[in-house]
Amino acid sequence: EVQLVESGGGLVKPGGSLRLSCAASGFTFSTYTMNWVRQAPGKGLEWVSSISSRSNYIFYADSLKGRFTISRDNAKNSLYLQMNSLRAEDTAIYYCARMDDYSDSSGQFVPSLAYWGQGTLVTVSA
Amino acid sequence: DIQMTQSPSSLSASVGDRVTLTCRASQSISTYLNWYQQKPGKAPKLLIYAASSLPSGVPSRFSGSGSGTDFTLTISSLQPEDFATYYCQQSYITQLTFGPGTKVDIK
Repeated sequence: EVQLVESGGGLVKPGGSLRLSCAASGFTFSTYTMNWVRQAPGKGLEWVSSISSRSNYIFYADSLKGRFTISRDNAKNSLYLQMNSLRAEDTAIYYCARMDDYSDSSGQFVPSLAYWGQGTLVTVSA
Repeated sequence: DIQMTQSPSSLSASVGDRVTLTCRASQSISTYLNWYQQKPGKAPKLLIYAASSLPSGVPSRFSGSGSGTDFTLTISSLQPEDFATYYCQQSYITQLTFGPGTKVDIK
């Protein structure tokens, strides 16, 4: 069974830093692209970042402006998100999600966020 | 970035109703479109991928259609467990974007 378990959330002051972790099990972690997605309280979903299986392709949402860094340790089956210079607007539940390439009827591969963790809450407040 | 919009933002419906949700992309995304269902306090769940395909385990009352910029999610006969928020999401470019969601609640 695929399991993704986030940890590391908590209360942090504006300007502070936090490192989130996502422990993966039940699948071969080293072969999947992984993502972070966040959801502010009462709001919609916002994609944060993705990292390819061997960390050679990394992408971020433009809104982050270089404050967040995604990484992974395939030997430890773990995904990370280092968050610096945190702001009140970064307050959210942070989910890690596995990206699967599903093939449609025409043979086209469409990346989809097939498995999600339960999320970890980050609160940025003085 | 590719912007995603959804309509309506919310709707009220009864068990057994046929419900159609709409999603629009700011540029053509072929069928690089996924739908997710999220219930309160839970993580999102992949409902439809590639605009019209159902992952294993998703009931057949859910269906999706569309390509290019306009997409629909249809629930043929709404069940009590379907009351949730539905999000569309594009995978056409590596910077993924979600729509703002449509909340389906009980009339």
